Amino acid sequence: SYELTQPLSVSVALGQTARITCGGNNIGSKNVHWYQQKPGQAPVLVIYRDSNRPSGIPERFSGSNSGNTATLTISRAQAGDEADYYCQVWDSSTASVFGGGTKLTVL
Amino acid sequence: EVQLVQSGAEVKKPGESLKISCKGSGYSFTSYWIGWVRQMPGKGLEWMGIIYPGDSDTRYSPSFQGQVTISADKSISTAYLQWSSLKASDTAMYYCARPLTTSRDAFDIWGQGTMVTVSS
Repeated sequence: SYELTQPLSVSVALGQTARITCGGNNIGSKNVHWYQQKPGQAPVLVIYRDSNRPSGIPERFSGSNSGNTATLTISRAQAGDEADYYCQVWDSSTASVFGGGTKLTVL
Repeated sequence: EVQLVQSGAEVKKPGESLKISCKGSGYSFTSYWIGWVRQMPGKGLEWMGIIYPGDSDTRYSPSFQGQVTISADKSISTAYLQWSSLKASDTAMYYCARPLTTSRDAFDIWGQGTMVTVSS
């Protein structure tokens, strides 16, 4: 089955840019979705189909996908961006998979 | 408003059966897939499976095939996740979620989660 690899943790200074990666075999050929999850809350979609932002998600959140790596970029990081982030793809028409998740710390 | 409302927390003993629910409202329930996601305490999200309420077409992750049953009752816009014999390792938060579009897409609508605790 298809596997997605994320770093366990990423740290970023307040106001700087955080980049969270999601690795997978030829992931560039798939649509990648990103979710933010804060403690005690359900996940929230922040990027869909590689680089699209749902309404209500700040422009500071962006995404890219090429080759074997997809990247979620958070510009001008704020304390409120501290959360776990998960990538997701549909492996086939019938199965989906999440990455293991990355804990973002804003210093 | 489009929303998914899940049933409340459950505390069960090993070996007991359980069925939790996810009720959709504010949209055409039969036109969108509904997925189920497990999150064990302190762990990440795991995709369990999906159902298309329009015709009950159901697909499971290999990790969950045979361990749970996903079903739906379109007459009351409700999807279900069911266990016939719970194990302590089933202790987790379970989320239902609906995709952005009527195809298999990003999940933009999530239920609030149902915490299932299995303990003797």
